[in-house]
Amino acid sequence: AQSVTQPDIHITVSEGASLELRCNYSYGATPYLFWYVQSPGQGLQLLLKYFSGDTLVQGIKGFEAEFKRSQSSFNLRKPSVHWSDAAEYFCAVVYGGSQGNLIFGKGTKLSVKP
Amino acid sequence: GAVVSQHPSWVICKSGTSVKIECRSLDFQATTMFWYRQFPKQSLMLMATSNEGSKATYEQGVEKDKFLINHASLTLSTLTVTSAHPEDSSFYICSAKQGSETQYFGPGTRLLVL
Repeated sequence: AQSVTQPDIHITVSEGASLELRCNYSYGATPYLFWYVQSPGQGLQLLLKYFSGDTLVQGIKGFEAEFKRSQSSFNLRKPSVHWSDAAEYFCAVVYGGSQGNLIFGKGTKLSVKP
Repeated sequence: GAVVSQHPSWVICKSGTSVKIECRSLDFQATTMFWYRQFPKQSLMLMATSNEGSKATYEQGVEKDKFLINHASLTLSTLTVTSAHPEDSSFYICSAKQGSETQYFGPGTRLLVL
């Protein structure tokens, strides 16, 4: 079955440190890839997306992600984390073109320590 | 752009009553809207997909008579939880897209059934 895996349930980083959140997807032709962020009690905000083209995509709030087809990965990175980045991060994939449904990973909770 | 609102943000109701949640796309016309349910500390579960003017498509295991979805216009979809029970308490999130691959999410509605 098509799936999305976020191996890390909870990550804690120090403010100012770099961050990488992992996301792997099951094999599928031309997946569309997304990262969303959810603050407590809030909906989801789109950070960035990849459909095609340059495999390194830039998003909002200083985030970027790199699509690596050979590793079936779409990891999210930020060079310097801010305390306001503490939230839940969800990787999501659409298979089968624009008509497919979003399939979410289970999320990674990010905590930031001062 | 691409703002989705939900109303109400919070609702508390008695067991046996029905609750209606509205989802609106504020600055675009949404050909497709989605309803998700999120349990505490878990990912989003797709409940149903609705296209304007047609019946919603429910995911396996979601009772269509329990969760009534209406998508009467290109900017409004409603989810009615009929005869709500405590086990229906959850965080309900809608999303919308305008014929593209990107879903934009509402802020969510927290339902508590007493």
